[in-house]
Amino acid sequence: NAGVMQNPRHLVRRRGQEARLRCSPMKGHSHVYWYRQLPEEGLKFMVYLQKENIIDESGMPKERFSAEFPKEGPSILRIQQVVRGDSAAYFCASSPSQDAYNEQFFGPGTRLTVL
Amino acid sequence: AQSVTQLDSHVSVSEGTPVLLRCNYSSSYSPSLFWYVQHPNKGLQLLLKYTSAATLVKGINGFEAEFKKSETSFHLTKPSAHMSDAAEYFCVVSDKAAGNKLTFGGGTRVLVKP
Repeated sequence: NAGVMQNPRHLVRRRGQEARLRCSPMKGHSHVYWYRQLPEEGLKFMVYLQKENIIDESGMPKERFSAEFPKEGPSILRIQQVVRGDSAAYFCASSPSQDAYNEQFFGPGTRLTVL
Repeated sequence: AQSVTQLDSHVSVSEGTPVLLRCNYSSSYSPSLFWYVQHPNKGLQLLLKYTSAATLVKGINGFEAEFKKSETSFHLTKPSAHMSDAAEYFCVVSDKAAGNKLTFGGGTRVLVKP
């Protein structure tokens, strides 16, 4: 059973470009979460999605950031018009249900560098 | 609202000596508590979790943590550090009020000296 997969592992963008980060949850998991880790900091929650629904986006910046989890295919975190401050590691996690007792399984992360 | 405070940003131990990583939490409901480990440039791996069963929780690689409600603490310990334990450790809380959202502490970086 493959774990959570994220790609690309490393992404370099120039200011003003778009960044697309992909996450494939573990088999059987329909709940996906995105977290951002700025340098020397802990992870901060961004958004929680189920298939075709955004459940909680309270941690998402109001502009330039969007996320989706379509019926088919991976979850996508999209950052438009990237700025240097978007440079961070972005982690995706998945779980089989909404139960707060459930462990979230994390992917290896995508490290975004904005030049 | 839930929050987590890891009291030490860095801990340095000698190989073979005990490790103690301190964590205090705040939660409005009965929380679930987790410790995750992150090795350099890697993802996060779950060490152990507390979900309202036994207050002393045993995890992987010889780690354990004790949930103390009266002290709102969930400290992580290991009796004997190994070089491979050098990593960053995150204490994490989740409760019903927050849905399934995890709140992370700031992390403790562990250095193991030979």
